Parts: sequence; structure tokens; C-alpha cells
Amino acid sequence: DSGVTQTPKHLITATGQRVTLRCSPRSGDLSVYWYQQSLDQGLQFLIQYYNGEERAKGNILERFSAQQFPDLHSELNLSSLELGDSALYFCASSTGLAGGPSYEQYFGPGTRLTVT
Amino acid sequence: SQKIEQNSEALNIQEGKTATLTCNYTNYSPAYLQWYRQDPGRGPVFLLLIRENEKEKRKERLKVTFDTTLKQSLFHITASQPADSATYLCAPMDTGRRALTFGSGTRLQVQP
Repeated sequence: DSGVTQTPKHLITATGQRVTLRCSPRSGDLSVYWYQQSLDQGLQFLIQYYNGEERAKGNILERFSAQQFPDLHSELNLSSLELGDSALYFCASSTGLAGGPSYEQYFGPGTRLTVT
Repeated sequence: SQKIEQNSEALNIQEGKTATLTCNYTNYSPAYLQWYRQDPGRGPVFLLLIRENEKEKRKERLKVTFDTTLKQSLFHITASQPADSATYLCAPMDTGRRALTFGSGTRLQVQP
């Protein structure tokens, strides 16, 4: 158990809908990262937050947004869903910022999103 | 553009042998490189981190090397066990980009 929790575990929704994925980082971790992993695809970095502020952005679509709250939990919002958005979405956390001495990431169990 | 290459074909070895996985990267200079293990349908699990000024890092049966001249990292599992069967992901990190970029992974299958 990594200490990172994600809810829900599974989500099935229709095209055009909007969903929110939730992540609670490990106790004490200030950085939260979101990744997308499609079938047979590698992990694609979406976005990072550190202590409530956006710090790095990857290939995140404009239809997707995220935020980190004062209690450090994070939410990833996916809107106008398309079939191609079906994937595993992982949240990870780490103690510090990228490049710092404690940068190993701890991943949650993921949310499997199916868009029909 | 930045590119990370890991053997896309599965690596099949016999129990007790040493598995060696390769990670090659191009067009950037990672300050760190990390290796993760991922089982099907589960989140990656951190294994080892090696810095650019370290040639080699060991942890129990695991060993990682980092050659910044060759732009390559090798990941070794000695005395491999069937429980080591998983996909192993290489993740070089460029300090400037402030993000890990994961390779597509190499699937290791250890036969009993």
C-alpha cells in the first residue's frame, strides 16, 4: 500500500459527460501528479501541483483541469468526454518538488475510466 | 524531441538467472533516473533512483547503472524469481522540465 488513495476505482460514463477523479496523497507529501495510461500506452504525465499551486504541465487536454485543495487532496476534472479518454488515471505524490532530494513518486491504485 | 526507448518485446528468462533491462534516452540530460515496477492494472511502484553523478546503485537483488555518456541506464535483477515478473518502467527526469517522463516499459517474465 503506497499510502495514496484514489476514488472511485471504476467509472463508467457516456460521451459528452463530465467526471471528477479524486486523489489523497501520502501523509506529508506536498506534490501531487496526475497521469493517464491508455491501453497499451505508456504513462503520460498530465499535470503537477505543489502545495496548492500548479507547477508543471504535460500533455493535458484543454477539456481536462485539476486543482489541489488546502488539505492537499487533488481532483482531476474531465469534461466533454470522448471514447478516447477511456484509460487508467493515476495519481502520484512525492515529498518535494522535481529535482529535490525526495523525488520518488508513490502511485495510487488508479481510477479506471470507461467512456461509452 | 525527447525520447526514451525500452525493449518493447518481453524478456523471458529462467528462474535464478540475471535479468538485464535497457533504457536509452535521447535529446535531454536527466539529472536523475528512476526505475519503477508495474503489475497489470496497478499503479507503478518505485524501485530505485540514481543520480547523474552516480555510476551504480544497488538495493538487495537490484542494480542500476547510469551512463550519461552513452545516455543509457541498465537495470539488473539477480537471482530472478517468478514473483519478479512484471513490467519495468524507466523514468529519466530533467530538472528543467520538472517532470518524469516514463518509457513504455519492458515486460519481464521469469519462468520457474
